[in-house]
Amino acid sequence: DTGVSQDPRHKITKRGQNVTFRCDPISEHNRLYWYRQTLGQGPEFLTYFQNEAQLEKSRLLSDRFSAERPKGSFSTLEIQRTEQGDSAMYLCASSLVPGVSHPGEKLFFGSGTQLSVL
Amino acid sequence: EDKVVQSPLSLVVHEGDTVTLNCSYEVTNFRSLLWYKQEKKAPTFLFMLTSSGIEKKSGRLSSILDKKELSSILNITATQTGDSAIYLCAVVYGGSQGNLIFGKGTKLSVKP
Repeated sequence: DTGVSQDPRHKITKRGQNVTFRCDPISEHNRLYWYRQTLGQGPEFLTYFQNEAQLEKSRLLSDRFSAERPKGSFSTLEIQRTEQGDSAMYLCASSLVPGVSHPGEKLFFGSGTQLSVL
Repeated sequence: EDKVVQSPLSLVVHEGDTVTLNCSYEVTNFRSLLWYKQEKKAPTFLFMLTSSGIEKKSGRLSSILDKKELSSILNITATQTGDSAIYLCAVVYGGSQGNLIFGKGTKLSVKP
């Protein structure tokens, strides 16, 4: 399978616990995004990486959230001290951006990690 | 504040009907607009639009961008039950690195 893969598919945790999700993008893609989606809403941007550099973080991303992409390949998203409001689908997407002045990009999404915080 | 607004939020039609989904945007330095279909988990890419007035077509689906009106429409003709999904509109905007924001989506239900 050469698509974007995310692990785990589902995660149930108790409030206050830490969780970590992993995303493996399409191998030649240089850009990696994290989104959060709740029922009835479109995906909300959290952060993105160009290679290993984290270029932007949304205001939605509180101090409890941290993302890394240490070697410019896979990425991890960690949520510390989870709260019930963190329950959502966490989607990862990747794309190949040719350069600085690109008109747009196509994102390829993984199947997501469904987080339930009890 | 940059935003993307889709309408309607939900739509119920019967097989064979034609539907039009709307997307409007207010962003700084628009770059492109994308449509995605989300059935269960991962959104899948449908179209990318960068030029105004040029229709993109794929089978029964088509889309067009109107930069003057800051909007796009997605048309689906002769709908089938398999078209039932959430249709997401996203806009790439901003500076050299670009950013992408989504609308809330239109939930389409096609009844037999």
